[in-house]
Amino acid sequence: EIVLTQSPDTLSLSPGERATLSCRASQTISSNYLAWYQHKPGQAPRLLVYGISTRAAGIPDRFSGSGSATDFTLTISRLEPEDFAVYYCQQYGSSPPYTFGQGTKLEI
Amino acid sequence: EEQLVESGGGLVKPGGSLRLSCAASGFVFSRYTMNWVRQAPGKGLEWVSSVTATSWDISHTESVKGRFTTSRDNTKNSLFLQMNSLRAEDTAVYYCARFGTAVGLRAGFDLWGQGIMVTVSA
Repeated sequence: EIVLTQSPDTLSLSPGERATLSCRASQTISSNYLAWYQHKPGQAPRLLVYGISTRAAGIPDRFSGSGSATDFTLTISRLEPEDFAVYYCQQYGSSPPYTFGQGTKLEI
Repeated sequence: EEQLVESGGGLVKPGGSLRLSCAASGFVFSRYTMNWVRQAPGKGLEWVSSVTATSWDISHTESVKGRFTTSRDNTKNSLFLQMNSLRAEDTAVYYCARFGTAVGLRAGFDLWGQGIMVTVSA
């Protein structure tokens, strides 16, 4: 099973600042099957990025994904008030289990 | 509008059973692999199970193997999670989620339900 470790656990920033969230995998992710999600309390998780760097439909271009092999990054270029949430990375390789990282809480 | 709606949650005693349902609408349900994902109180997201479009492959996370069964009915656009021998640690919000595709490749879980609460307590 691939284990994903996110850092930091909590990130305290202000609107307008740049956020950099990290995700490290215990082994190489196959076929670039790495996604990022945003999750707010009481809401369904929202797919932001898949395939390491492809934004999902309707996702603003201030969100960008990068990385390769075992090290991945989600960058939010200029934080908006609605961006404060918990963010998860996930690997969805060729076969289950499709593991999630433990999450990074982005707070004001 | 594409939509997933879960139902069937509630309070159940340890050792009891519950069946969750997920009703899909607005897309061709029979073309997609579907998943269950849960979030225990104060914890992160945890993948629970997956069933391919025609049910030829069904997988479960290790902690629920032998207790949970995932199935689907493509004629009714529905996904199911039969949960038996429930434990306190199964207490969570359960989400159904669609495995997206883009240009023939997997594209993450691109559509989620709002979630349904399952509480296992005496």
